[in-house]
Amino acid sequence: EIVLTQSPGTLSLSPGERATLSCRASQSVSSNYLAWYQQKPGQAPRLLIYGASSRATGIPDRFSGSGSGTDFTLTISRLEPEDFAVYYCQLYGSSPSFTFGPGTKVDIK
Amino acid sequence: EVQLVESGGVVVQPGGSLRLSCAVSGLTFDEYTFHWVRQVPGKGLEWVSLISWEGGTTFYSDSVKGRFTISRDNRKNSLYLQMNSLRSEDTALYFCAKSSRPLRLLYYFDYWGHGTLVTVSS
Repeated sequence: EIVLTQSPGTLSLSPGERATLSCRASQSVSSNYLAWYQQKPGQAPRLLIYGASSRATGIPDRFSGSGSGTDFTLTISRLEPEDFAVYYCQLYGSSPSFTFGPGTKVDIK
Repeated sequence: EVQLVESGGVVVQPGGSLRLSCAVSGLTFDEYTFHWVRQVPGKGLEWVSLISWEGGTTFYSDSVKGRFTISRDNRKNSLYLQMNSLRSEDTALYFCAKSSRPLRLLYYFDYWGHGTLVTVSS
C-alpha cells in the first residue's frame, strides 16, 4: 500500500506570499493519479487539482499542481485571505484505497 | 446544482449499530460511484468505502471491513452506510462523496456533503 507524506505540517505565511506544499508517495504513483483538496474549518473538502496538475472547475489559476512519480507539489502563487486552510493530497485510480496524506495547514503569519 | 446531504449521525454505545444516509440531487444518480469518507474531529481524512453506480461492486477500508456495509437505492437517489459493532475509534464526521467520472470506480471526488457526526461512547 502506498503511503503519502505531506510537508510541512504547518506553513505560516502572509497574504500575498507564495505557498509551496509537498506530497511525497512511498511508491511511484501510476498515471499521476493524485488529487489535492482544500478544507476550511467546519466545511467539507473541496477539490482543487486532479491528475497532479489539472485544475478543477472554478478553481482560481493561482492554484497549480505539479510533479510526477513520487513527488508532487501544490503551489499557491499569491495567498488570498480565503486560502488559509488545510490541504490534503489523495491517491486514486489504481486500487480501491484512496489514501489521503495527513494534510498541511496553511495559516496566517 | 449537485447536492449531497448526510443524516443519521447520533451518539451510540460501543457495540451498537447505526445507519447513515446520504440524499443526492442534481445529477443522474445511477451513473456515479459514491464513497463514504470519515474524519475524526481535528484530524485527517480517511476513506471508508465505495459502491459502484449499479451497486454491484463495493470496497471497504481494512478498518471497517466486516463491520460496515455500504448500499444504495437508485430509485431514491440515496446512499447508505450500515455500521455495526461500533467502536470508540469509529467516532468521526462521516462525509459522502461523489466520484468525478460516470461509470468509473476509481476516480477522485468532485462533490462532498457536509458530513454527519457519529459519536461512539458509553
